[in-house]
Amino acid sequence: QVQLVQSGAEVKRPGASVKISCKASVYTFTTYILYWVRQAPGQRPEWMGRINPGNGNTKYAQQFQGRVTITKDTSASTAYMELSSLRSEDTAVYYCARGSMAETLPLDYWGQGTLVTVSS
Amino acid sequence: QSVLTQPPSVSGAPGQRVSISCTGSSSNIGAGYDVHWYQQLPGAAPKLLIYANGNRPSGVPDRFSGSKSGTSASLAIAGLQAEDEADYYCQSYDTTLSGSLVFGGGTKLTVL
Repeated sequence: QVQLVQSGAEVKRPGASVKISCKASVYTFTTYILYWVRQAPGQRPEWMGRINPGNGNTKYAQQFQGRVTITKDTSASTAYMELSSLRSEDTAVYYCARGSMAETLPLDYWGQGTLVTVSS
Repeated sequence: QSVLTQPPSVSGAPGQRVSISCTGSSSNIGAGYDVHWYQQLPGAAPKLLIYANGNRPSGVPDRFSGSKSGTSASLAIAGLQAEDEADYYCQSYDTTLSGSLVFGGGTKLTVL
């Protein structure tokens, strides 16, 4: 069974950055795209960006451009999402999810989620 | 960012059939892009329920079915069971803003 295991919950001050990890297992890390999706309390999921672990290419949602950076460590089968200049509205559960290069295809496996709380 | 519109809630008694609509626009569903559905149990991550409008991943009961027409899609759940109580989200691809994944606002299913 494909597994995506994310790092633990974080509490951050406004203006700080957070970096979340997503470790993939039971499939070849470089053959699927990893997406990052966040879900604020009671809100719809919101796509943030994606990375192709095969070549490192990234694409970010326009509303996060300049604040989000997605990277990968192929040797560790792990992807990372860093969000900077945090504000209270960034309080959400952040998920990584496995998908395909074709963005029209579904996200077939999801990580367990990482709660990020931004509070002074 | 374009979004997909779902009813906030639906309900039904055990054994009944319910359906959940997902309305998009000409830049997403109406442009021919597939619709996927996810089930989110309380406190859990979303789980793929239906992909490409009407296909079920392995392990998903055939009580769940999906369809798409024009700028809308629909998820139907037959023979409602208590364990179906969850939030359901539709998702598609949208061509605005250089292309992006878009999600519906979610529908809370209550089994009476």
